Amino acid sequence: QIQLVQSGDEVKKPGASVKVSCKASGYTFIDYGMHWGRQAPGQRPEWMGWINDGTGYTKYSQKFQGRVTFTRDTSASTVYMELRDLRSEDTAIYFCARVYCSAGNCYVSDHWGQGTLVTVSS
Amino acid sequence: DIQMTQSPSTLSASVGDRVTITCRASQTVNNWLAWYQQKPGKAPKLLIYKASSLESGVPSRFSGSGSGTEFTLTISSLQPDDLATYYCQQYNTYPPMWTFGQGTKVEIK
Repeated sequence: QIQLVQSGDEVKKPGASVKVSCKASGYTFIDYGMHWGRQAPGQRPEWMGWINDGTGYTKYSQKFQGRVTFTRDTSASTVYMELRDLRSEDTAIYFCARVYCSAGNCYVSDHWGQGTLVTVSS
Repeated sequence: DIQMTQSPSTLSASVGDRVTITCRASQTVNNWLAWYQQKPGKAPKLLIYKASSLESGVPSRFSGSGSGTEFTLTISSLQPDDLATYYCQQYNTYPPMWTFGQGTKVEIK
């Protein structure tokens, strides 16, 4: 079955970086791109950006531009999200979610990772 | 950026009740509208996509309707397992991105 399995919860100090992984299985990895989003306590999910299926092209939300990087390892069917210069307001659950794009159209995310809690505290 | 607004924020209903949640977009989303269910500590689960298409495996008591800027999620007969927060989401076709509404928490009376 289709699964997106994320790495474990993290506790970081302000100013540090965190790298979260999302390992895909049960489908052809290179046929799908991946969204990353986050959800602060009691808040709605927030879009952070997207890495595409073919070239690894990335698009980031302006809010995170310059502080976030998405990468992928196709041999390991894994996508990574690195967020730098962490602040207390970055405390949230971080999610990956696959997205299928074809002929200039991208569709709804039907499978999500289980989430990774990143806590930023001194 | 497109803003998504849901109402109500909280809803309390009895088992068997018909429940309706509304979502409004600040501009047309061309029916690229999804509904998700989220339970505490879990990832969002897709219920409805393209405004009215039921995701495979989702019970038929869930339905979506609407177009343009106004959309509705209906649960025809509320069940105890439906206790959750429900979100609408608009998703761009290209480049892909999405925006969620603020959520509707459904409580069982």
